[in-house]
Amino acid sequence: ETGVTQSPTHLIKTRGQQVTLRCSSQSGHNTVSWYQQALGQGPQFIFQYYREEENGRGNFPPRFSGLQFPNYSSELNVNALELDDSALYLCASSLVNLRGTYEQYFGPGTRLTVT
Amino acid sequence: QQPVQSPQAVILREGEDAVINCSSSKALYSVHWYRQKHGEAPVFLMILLKGGEQKGHEKISASFNEKKQQSSLYLTASQLSYSGTYFCGTDTIIQGAQKLVFGQGTRLTINP
Repeated sequence: ETGVTQSPTHLIKTRGQQVTLRCSSQSGHNTVSWYQQALGQGPQFIFQYYREEENGRGNFPPRFSGLQFPNYSSELNVNALELDDSALYLCASSLVNLRGTYEQYFGPGTRLTVT
Repeated sequence: QQPVQSPQAVILREGEDAVINCSSSKALYSVHWYRQKHGEAPVFLMILLKGGEQKGHEKISASFNEKKQQSSLYLTASQLSYSGTYFCGTDTIIQGAQKLVFGQGTRLTINP
């Protein structure tokens, strides 16, 4: 158990709809990263939030957006869902240590299916 | 930009050893290793920093060669519980900030 929780566990949406996924980070962690993992692939970086600000973004269109709240929990919003958005969405929380490195701990993920 | 892992898949008998490699075309600051079992989230194994650091966790260890821009994960006397997909993540700079970029994974199957 990493202390990172995500909701919901599974979700089925129709193409064109919008979805919000939620993540609660591990206690003491101030950074949350979101990843998309397609079947048989490694996690692909979507974006990261640090102290409520977006802190870097991967190659994902603007319809992928997010928020981080003062308690460091986070949301991932996806608008105008497409079939290719079907994937496991992972959030990972981290805390940069004194050496400037960090360990990321993943939540259990949300399995999104777009039909 | 994405690190390359090799081999893509390995099948072993319990007790055998395995090596998984991760290489990058870019200079590396650190390498992170994760294991993911089917239907579960990736689990953090270890992080290696530049400087040829080697770390271990039970019978799993790893090395990091900064000059060659590669890392290797060593699984000794493999156990059934070691089965899963192993991912390396390399630190890269995205929009001025350090981020993890993952390889495509190496699927490890341990048979009794």
